[in-house]
Formats: sequence, structure tokens, C-alpha cells
Amino acid sequence: GAGVSQTPSNKVTEKGKYVELRCDPISGHTALYWYRQSLGQGPEFLIYFQGTGAADDSGLPNDRFFAVRPEGSVSTLKIQRTERGDSAVYLCASSFYTSGGLGELFFGEGSRLTVL
Amino acid sequence: AQTVTQSQPEMSVQEAETVTLSCTYDTSESDYYLFWYKQPPSRQMILVIRQEAYKQQNATENRFSVNFQKAAKSFSLKISDSQLGDAAMYFCAYRSGGGSEKLVFGKGTKLTVNP
Repeated sequence: GAGVSQTPSNKVTEKGKYVELRCDPISGHTALYWYRQSLGQGPEFLIYFQGTGAADDSGLPNDRFFAVRPEGSVSTLKIQRTERGDSAVYLCASSFYTSGGLGELFFGEGSRLTVL
Repeated sequence: AQTVTQSQPEMSVQEAETVTLSCTYDTSESDYYLFWYKQPPSRQMILVIRQEAYKQQNATENRFSVNFQKAAKSFSLKISDSQLGDAAMYFCAYRSGGGSEKLVFGKGTKLTVNP
């Protein structure tokens, strides 16, 4: 596709439910990132994939959060037993190989998750 | 851990005028990179400008330029000839130079452009 695509755009769920957020990166981009942006805050790093493997998952807040990228393209962020504090916009970004140094990240429009 | 501070939650500017957005950061590293990202209401973050810490020359991209003061750990963004399309949230971000892929963002500044 032309850009990073994220689905759903908006998701409303109830506390305790399981949710999946999908990210389709720019074709050919091997690096993929997930960030979380809470209301009134800047994005916070969650996890980074290089190819199929999670190269850095130090930003995942707890074991309810998990992300996969089985074929090195599409990624899914999975949240179990959602809590009201998980409400945020989840941003996905991709880059060619790595974005280290001055490399540019290309972001999607995010998935807004609301936990009632 | 590195931190990024944007002390101006909101700023406004008249169309065609110049505005400067402030950013300071805290780090003990000597090798790092700094960025300004723009986030319009669509939520998509867009890179505006970037700077390598080891370069003394300030980066410039068309109407956008930075004032990088390494000793003061300051990285302000100047927007010249402001346009209505510049209205957005602006985020300052830091990346370590040691091969880290992680961006550390500030809380952002909301820029309003008045016609």
C-alpha cells in the first residue's frame, strides 16, 4: 500500500475483554514499531520488530500485551484482559531496514482503543 | 533514562508570521539524534526535521529550521511564514546514538495558526 495502514481505526471494548489491533506496514519495510499515545501525551515506545522477530519489547507495560509479526509484514498487537488504563491511541510505524540514526519512521493513523 | 520536555502546551501564530516551539532534553550521552514530528488531527505523525547531535550546523527544511544548542540541551523549532496547514500538534523526539531504535517523545505543543 501507499502508507502504513492500521485497523480498526476505532475500537470500543469492555473491561476484561481481549482485543487485537492490526498494522500493515509499507511494502518492503522490514522494521516495524508500536507506540502508545495516551490523551495529552506524546507517543511511548512499546515494541520494535526487525523482520519476524521482536528486537526490543522493553516498552510493553506488562504481560497482558503481546505483539506478533509472523511473516515479517503485517503485525498484530494483542491485549488481554483489557483495563480502562489501556485506553489510548496505538500507533504503528515502519521503516526500511532500521530507522537507527537519522532514519525516518512512517506512521499510520493509529487505532483508538476505548475500554469502558 | 532520557527525557524530553516541551514547556509550551499551546502556541498560536498569525498566518505568514514566525513562531518558535521550545524543546529541552536530558541525556548523559554524547551521540544522539533529535527530531520534530507533526501530528495533524488525522493522528498520523509526520517527520518535519531532524538533527545529528555531532553536527553544529542547524538543520533546515524549507520554512522549518532548528536552533540546536547542545550545551544547553535545547532543540527549538522555528516555523517561518506560517501557513494554515501548519496547525497541528508538534512533538520533539530523541533517539540514542548507540543503535537504539526507540524514540522518546515530549508531550507536544499544540500550534494554532490564525488567518
